[in-house]
Amino acid sequence: GQQLNQSPQSMFIQEGEDVSMNCTSSSIFNTWLWYKQEPGEGPVLLIALYKAGELTSNGRLTAQFGITRKDSFLNISASIPSDVGIYFCAGQRSSYKLIFGSGTRLLVRP
Amino acid sequence: DAMVIQNPRYQVTQFGKPVTLSCSQTLNHNVMYWYQQKSSQAPKLLFHYYDKDFNNEADTPDNFQSRRPNTSFCFLDIRSPGLGDAAMYLCATSPRVGVVDTQYFGPGTRLTVL
Repeated sequence: GQQLNQSPQSMFIQEGEDVSMNCTSSSIFNTWLWYKQEPGEGPVLLIALYKAGELTSNGRLTAQFGITRKDSFLNISASIPSDVGIYFCAGQRSSYKLIFGSGTRLLVRP
Repeated sequence: DAMVIQNPRYQVTQFGKPVTLSCSQTLNHNVMYWYQQKSSQAPKLLFHYYDKDFNNEADTPDNFQSRRPNTSFCFLDIRSPGLGDAAMYLCATSPRVGVVDTQYFGPGTRLTVL
């Protein structure tokens, strides 16, 4: 089936550190999305990427749509305790269906 | 603020007792989705409505049904909940304007089956 490989599976970092996570696929996508989910809540859209090579920022977050259209990364700079949560990438082709990565669980040590 | 609203946030039901979860949106989006999410897993799509057209995923059990009486509201009916149906149920919407079909999620309803 269709799969996205998301890594790392979890990260436990010190407040103030930068974070990087990525997703790769064997097939191409037209859209890459990054969501954050906190315990007991729904996923919240952080960044949407629509074009190969696109680099987009949202505050301390930066994400890029890989030039091959098979990968994307998300960086968080200067992490703070409220960055804690699970980060999901999701790829989308021409149809409605989102293909989710398995998530990266982020813990931040104050 | 435009948003996706889910009620209730927590629902407890008994094994085999029908339950309905509701979702409403103020985004005026064409498409509404229902996902099931189990602990530490990614959301799994159950079905979606594009306007009034219902689209079921091939592996969604018959126990799960949905209704969309108007643009703003969509319901998830679980006819005979089993213990394995305990999960977070997420509603999402998308505009489907051209190729842009970004999905926005509600806060979820956590279902407990006793």
